[in-house]
Amino acid sequence: RKEVEQDPGPFNVPEGATVAFNCTYSNSASQSFFWYRQDCRKEPKLLMSVYSSGNEDGRFTAQLNRASQYISLLIRDSKLSDSATYLCVVNTYGGATNKLIFGTGTLLAVQP
Amino acid sequence: NAGVTQTPKFQVLKTGQSMTLQCAQDMNHNSMYWYRQDPGMGLRLIYYSASEGTTDKGEVPNGYNVSRLNKREFSLRLESAAPSQTSVYFCASSGGGAQAGWAGSNQPQHFGDGTRLSIL
Repeated sequence: RKEVEQDPGPFNVPEGATVAFNCTYSNSASQSFFWYRQDCRKEPKLLMSVYSSGNEDGRFTAQLNRASQYISLLIRDSKLSDSATYLCVVNTYGGATNKLIFGTGTLLAVQP
Repeated sequence: NAGVTQTPKFQVLKTGQSMTLQCAQDMNHNSMYWYRQDPGMGLRLIYYSASEGTTDKGEVPNGYNVSRLNKREFSLRLESAAPSQTSVYFCASSGGGAQAGWAGSNQPQHFGDGTRLSIL
């Protein structure tokens, strides 16, 4: 089992739709969680951190479920400019196992 | 407002050649990282430097060496390039992680725009 798993997609949605991505992680000791966005042939950029209580940034909402070991990203009112690959990132630290694990990404294509 | 700067952006090498990828950040970050990204795979950590003067192996260090020249600069060297090292390489930095053995911190990482390396 991969340490961080994402549905690769693609998710093809019309403009204005609401879309949600999930990401599961295998290490229960994971402490920090992030969503990054990566446009085609560009570098990953931080979209938002994911906090235990859940957090929202405009049209984007991130949730963490420690019991089930997954994080989610909800995008409301999708825009064409939201088309990108969304990377789930999990940071596990403690002793010899400190590492940052990137998922392979979920591709979102917002259609006009 | 440069952030993380990588050079070169593109490079083609022949098998067995050597080269150094350069990375510099102007955000006064303690920690710096080198990743490679291949199709169908997530970013994989090659080496990292939790703080100036320290470097540690990541997930895929074989065939690479690094140097943390100062707080700003972290270079990646391929001593004898192999076709399996064809990839996109990203440098990143983050503000936390001064503790030795800290491969990533609870601070987000900021990436350079990548080096596309092809080895023939």
